[in-house]
Amino acid sequence: DTAVSQTPKYLVTQMGNDKSIKCEQNLGHDTMYWYKQDSKKFLKIMFSYNNKELIINETVPNRFSPKSPDKAHLNLHINSLELGDSAVYFCASSQDIGGSREQFFGPGTRLTVL
Amino acid sequence: KQEVTQIPAALSVPEGENLVLNCSFTDSAIYNLQWFRQDPGKGLTSLLLIQSSQREQTSGRLNASLDKSSGRSTLYIAASQPGDSATYLCAVRQGGSEKLVFGKGTKLTVNP
Repeated sequence: DTAVSQTPKYLVTQMGNDKSIKCEQNLGHDTMYWYKQDSKKFLKIMFSYNNKELIINETVPNRFSPKSPDKAHLNLHINSLELGDSAVYFCASSQDIGGSREQFFGPGTRLTVL
Repeated sequence: KQEVTQIPAALSVPEGENLVLNCSFTDSAIYNLQWFRQDPGKGLTSLLLIQSSQREQTSGRLNASLDKSSGRSTLYIAASQPGDSATYLCAVRQGGSEKLVFGKGTKLTVNP
C-alpha cells in the first residue's frame, strides 16, 4: 500500500520520559510534516521538512526535535515529556516541487502522558 | 495571520439530504485549499484539493467550490448517507508557505 505510516499508534508514558514517534512515506514525496491535534481537535503545524531540510518550526518547545534521515522518513523525538504534550500527532507528506502540493496524512499517534 | 473558520460546528441531517458545509478564510493569498474527512480516532483523508486558480472540484457525490476573492469555500454533499458521518476539515495553504492552516471542523451526523 502506498501511504504515510506512523509508529506507534498509541504511546502511554510517564512525565519526564523521552519518547520517539516514527513516520515513513512511500509516496516519493519531497516534503514531510508533523502536526499536533489537541484535546479540542484543533490541528496545528509543528514542523516541515523538504528534502531533509527544516523549512518550518512553528514555535515548538526545544524538547521537540524532528529528525529526517532521508526524504522518506521524518521522526519526532520528545524529551522530558509534560502532561500538556498529550495529544494526537499526525505526520503528513506532499510533493511540492512539480507536484500538486496536496498533503496526505498518516493515521496518527495518540500520546498520553501520565 | 491566516484564520480559517468553519460553520456550522455540528450538523445533523436525515439520510438522503443534500447539504453544504462552509469554510471561510481571512487572507485570500492562498496557494490551495483542501477538504479532509476525519473519522473518530482515525487520521485525515483528503477529499478534494482546489488550486487557487480553480473554482471547483468534484469527486463522486462531493463538490467543493472556491471563491478566493471573498475568502470562501463550500463543500456540497449530495444524497447524504450514514457513512458520510464524520468531521469535515477545511485547510488552506498560504502562498509561499508549506503549512496548512486548519479550521476547527464541522461534525456531520447523517441519521438513517
